[in-house]
Amino acid sequence: AQSVAQPEDQVNVAEGNPLTVKCTYSVSGNPYLFWYVQYPNRGLQFLLKYITGDNLVKGSYGFEAEFNKSQTSFHLKKPSALVSDSALYFCAVSGRGGGNKLTFGTGTQLKVEL
Amino acid sequence: GAGVSQSPSNKVTEKGKDVELRCDPISGHTALYWYRQSLGQGLEFLIYFQGNSAPDKSGLPSDRFSAERTGGSVSTLTIQRTQQEDSAVYLCASSRVNSPQHFGDGTRLSIL
Repeated sequence: AQSVAQPEDQVNVAEGNPLTVKCTYSVSGNPYLFWYVQYPNRGLQFLLKYITGDNLVKGSYGFEAEFNKSQTSFHLKKPSALVSDSALYFCAVSGRGGGNKLTFGTGTQLKVEL
Repeated sequence: GAGVSQSPSNKVTEKGKDVELRCDPISGHTALYWYRQSLGQGLEFLIYFQGNSAPDKSGLPSDRFSAERTGGSVSTLTIQRTQQEDSAVYLCASSRVNSPQHFGDGTRLSIL
């Protein structure tokens, strides 16, 4: 069975500072990893994915994520946070052979303050 | 272009009633997924349709839940004899093969 852990329910950061939202995963074989963002009363918006290749993946809105196979982690990062980045962030994994159905983490609420 | 469209956006119904939730995927997307988002359970996979293949129903929580996809496009999720624990936001997503899923804004279902 595949699983995702997001150890922080909430992350607070000052605008302009770098941010990190943590994610670790467990899956058989090589993983497909994703980050999604959810704003209030909206669906999930795709940010970025890792399938294969470079361990540093760049995505939408200046976000990036680093795949670390030895630590089974896929942390989301941004060099300089904006107040508008405040939202709920979900890490997800899809294993090969399971279709593309996603298993999500519990989500991390990011709050960026002035 | 148009995204994934779900209707209704909100649904309030009485315990024991049946409800139908609709999803219009993005044109050309062969894969369609239903998920449920609730405070207690987080985001859970329910069912997955891919082209003409048999759907993956492994996430449906009980036999009160069913879904169909007509003509490879629109999908309907049906919940029979609703219970209070069915209260949640039901999200639909669609994708091309091996491409990221695009989500609708969901149907917020409240069971009184």
